Amino acid sequence: DSGVTQTPKHLITATGQRVTLRCSPRSGDLSVYWYQQSLDQGLQFLIQYYNGEERAKGNILERFSAQQFPDLHSELNLSSLELGDSALYFCASSVGLSDSPLHFGNGTRLTVT
Amino acid sequence: GENVEQHPSTLSVQEGDSAVIKCTYSDSASNYFPWYKQELGKGPQLIIDIRSNVGEKKDQRIAVTLNKTAKHFSLHITETQPEDSAVYFCAASFNTNAGKSTFGDGTTLTVKP
Repeated sequence: DSGVTQTPKHLITATGQRVTLRCSPRSGDLSVYWYQQSLDQGLQFLIQYYNGEERAKGNILERFSAQQFPDLHSELNLSSLELGDSALYFCASSVGLSDSPLHFGNGTRLTVT
Repeated sequence: GENVEQHPSTLSVQEGDSAVIKCTYSDSASNYFPWYKQELGKGPQLIIDIRSNVGEKKDQRIAVTLNKTAKHFSLHITETQPEDSAVYFCAASFNTNAGKSTFGDGTTLTVKP
């Protein structure tokens, strides 16, 4: 058990809708990362927060946004969903910034129909 | 930005044989190189990591080597077992005020009993 909790585990929704994915980092970790993993694809970095502040952005679409709250949990908001947004979304946390091991949750599987 | 290439994409070995997965990176500033194992239905888990001031690191049947001059690093698994079957990802990152780990595309390892 990595200590990172992601909810929900599965999400099925229709095109055009909006969803929110939630992540609770491992106790003591200040950094939260969001990654997208499409079928047979690698891990695509979306965004990173450190102690409530956005620190790095990857190939995150404008339809997607995230935030990290004072209690350090994070939410990833996906809007105007398209079929191509169907993927596994992983949250990871680490103690520090980029040279610390990442601890991944078990992901949220999003299916857009 | 950083680019990480991972080879091979699939690898099949007999139980008891060794497996080697190789990665190259582009940014000479990268100084942290973790390896993650992803089992079906789970998030990636750190199995071993190495920092740029070390050339080799071992943990039981798993070892990682780093060649900073050539900008490549490799994962070695000896005496493979069926439970080693999984997807393995390499990553590279460097310590800055804002950072992220860049992942390779993954290697699907199958260990045949």
